[in-house]
Amino acid sequence: GAVVSQHPSWVICKSGTSVKIECRSLDFQATTMFWYRQFPKQSLMLMATSNEGSKATYEQGVEKDKFLINHASLTLSTLTVTSAHPEDSSFYICSARRGSETQYFGPGTRLLVL
Amino acid sequence: GNSVTQMEGPVTLSEEAFLTINCTYTATGYPSLFWYVQYPGEGLQLLLKATKADDKGSNKGFEATYRKETTSFHLEKGSVQVSDSAVYFCALSDQGADKLIFGTGTRLQVFP
Repeated sequence: GAVVSQHPSWVICKSGTSVKIECRSLDFQATTMFWYRQFPKQSLMLMATSNEGSKATYEQGVEKDKFLINHASLTLSTLTVTSAHPEDSSFYICSARRGSETQYFGPGTRLLVL
Repeated sequence: GNSVTQMEGPVTLSEEAFLTINCTYTATGYPSLFWYVQYPGEGLQLLLKATKADDKGSNKGFEATYRKETTSFHLEKGSVQVSDSAVYFCALSDQGADKLIFGTGTRLQVFP
């Protein structure tokens, strides 16, 4: 149990386009989902926390208009990178949590912006 | 601010060797400490955790003890297997907080 999926697993896009990444909790309802970003050889950095039905809470330094997060249901959260640029290329990881339980992580999405 | 520092990898070992991956932290208050493991192509999985000083977390032969006096949470295993090859992340969360703060990860490679 407690499986989290992400789609797509990797994506290449042109600069200026928008990319949507989906995070799904497959066998449980996630009251809270988290989005992280990971640069090569660096830590996972929390970008934002989203609770179902409410606006996401962004970490300091993360542009909320750049990284749009929607947590429309208890099993789905989406991250949209708007007007992507090469510096947005990174590995994006989501996690999902039911109540106060452990976070369960997705396998990540690698984004390359050309 | 709170932070986690863990040893750089890769750590390369022969099967049945003893493993130590060092992790130290900086935090105000009394954080909970975690080790996560990421196998190739998969998401991070919680390996073990400890919520207070002197607690020992253990799972799958791995152990780590919460040492407040040295602000450390080193991961150990007495005899590694090829299947233990993965990236290991040390992390902390502030008491009652949602956030997990991760170290940079340490890649372990075990050869037969």
